[in-house]
Amino acid sequence: DIQMTQSPSSLSASVGDRVTITCRASQGIGSHLGWYQQKPGKAPKRLIYDVSSLQSGVPSRFSGSGSGTEFTLTISSLQPEDFATYYCLQHNSFPLTFGGGTKVEIK
Amino acid sequence: EVQLVESGGGLVQPGGSLRLSCAVSGFIVSSRYMSWVRQAPGKGLEWLSVMFSGGGATYADSVRGRFTISRDNSKNTLYLQMNGLRVEDTAVYYCARGGDYDGWFDPWGQGTLVTVSS
Repeated sequence: DIQMTQSPSSLSASVGDRVTITCRASQGIGSHLGWYQQKPGKAPKRLIYDVSSLQSGVPSRFSGSGSGTEFTLTISSLQPEDFATYYCLQHNSFPLTFGGGTKVEIK
Repeated sequence: EVQLVESGGGLVQPGGSLRLSCAVSGFIVSSRYMSWVRQAPGKGLEWLSVMFSGGGATYADSVRGRFTISRDNSKNTLYLQMNGLRVEDTAVYYCARGGDYDGWFDPWGQGTLVTVSS
């Protein structure tokens, strides 16, 4: 199975900050990676697919990059509605596996 | 509008069974890959199973042999039959579309809570 190691597990940031979250895969996954945002009590919502393709309706302050085994999600200017938990997902091979999550909290 | 609505969750004793439903609107369930994903209380996301548009399926090791994914094309509904439930199966269960065209898991249903306890 491919392990997805997400870091940090949590972070505190202020509105307007640039935030970067990293996912490392235990083996190469090409461009088969997505990012999801989850708010408390709600279903996850897809932000990015295929490493860097922005989901329709998602603000352009969200971006994704990377290849092979290391990937990043960047929020260029954190907004109040962005405080949530973020997960990466590899879909290169079964079983599909998620990272452990990054909780973004208000500083 | 594309919408996924799960139902069927509840309290069940260890060893019991439950069938979850995911009613789909806005597209034909048999035309797309459809998955089940769960989230234990306070924990992360775990993919469980996918049903391919062609009718085949695959499962995570944690549920293989106990859970069965299926669909009813006439009802445009996806199911997850869960047998031999364990305390560690307690979670919110989500259905989600995707994997065939443009990435995985968009959209998601709202989730249904399954609690396995004596």
